[in-house]
Amino acid sequence: AQSVAQPEDQVNVAEGNPLTVKCTYSVSGNPYLFWYVQYPNRGLQFLLKYITGDNLVKGSYGFEAEFNKSQTSFHLKKPSALVSDSALYFCAVDSNYQLIWGAGTKLIIKP
Amino acid sequence: DADVTQTPRNRITKTGKRIMLECSQTKGHDRMYWYRQDPGLGLRLIYYSFDVKDINKGEISDGYSVSRQAQAKFSLSLESAIPNQTALYFCATSGRLADAYNEQFFGPGTRLTVL
Repeated sequence: AQSVAQPEDQVNVAEGNPLTVKCTYSVSGNPYLFWYVQYPNRGLQFLLKYITGDNLVKGSYGFEAEFNKSQTSFHLKKPSALVSDSALYFCAVDSNYQLIWGAGTKLIIKP
Repeated sequence: DADVTQTPRNRITKTGKRIMLECSQTKGHDRMYWYRQDPGLGLRLIYYSFDVKDINKGEISDGYSVSRQAQAKFSLSLESAIPNQTALYFCATSGRLADAYNEQFFGPGTRLTVL
């Protein structure tokens, strides 16, 4: 069965430091991977996706993600965190046009 | 105007009542989805529809039903609400049938409380 794991419930980062939010996946066939962000009292917003091609994918708000096939990972990164990046982040994998979701990681950026 | 709208935004109801949550989209997408979100569980798929004549059960369809009234409208019903259906409900849309691997666009959510 296809699945996504986000091993950290919460990640704390100081403003200005680089951040990483981890995601690993288990799929049969080629993985199609997504990152979404949810700000408080809002719906989810698409950040970026990996379908094929370059392993480093750039997305919205300065975020990027690195696809690593050998480690079955798709970690979300940003070189310099902002307080406004504080939110809930979800990783997901496509399975026949449905998304299988991770449980989410709460990212807290401290001034 | 928002591309994906949900009504109502908040609803408090009592056990046993019938509730309908509505979703409308102006994105011209064929695929529509209903999810529920519970703390620590992420999003779980309730039902999805790839066009007006196509309705499919998701991971947690028991206790729910849906209606795809038009390409732009997808309603979720709780025939007899129970307290463990208290959750945040999201509608989402994604692409045309000919498209592949599109991202999903989410509505603002409906916060449902069943007493």
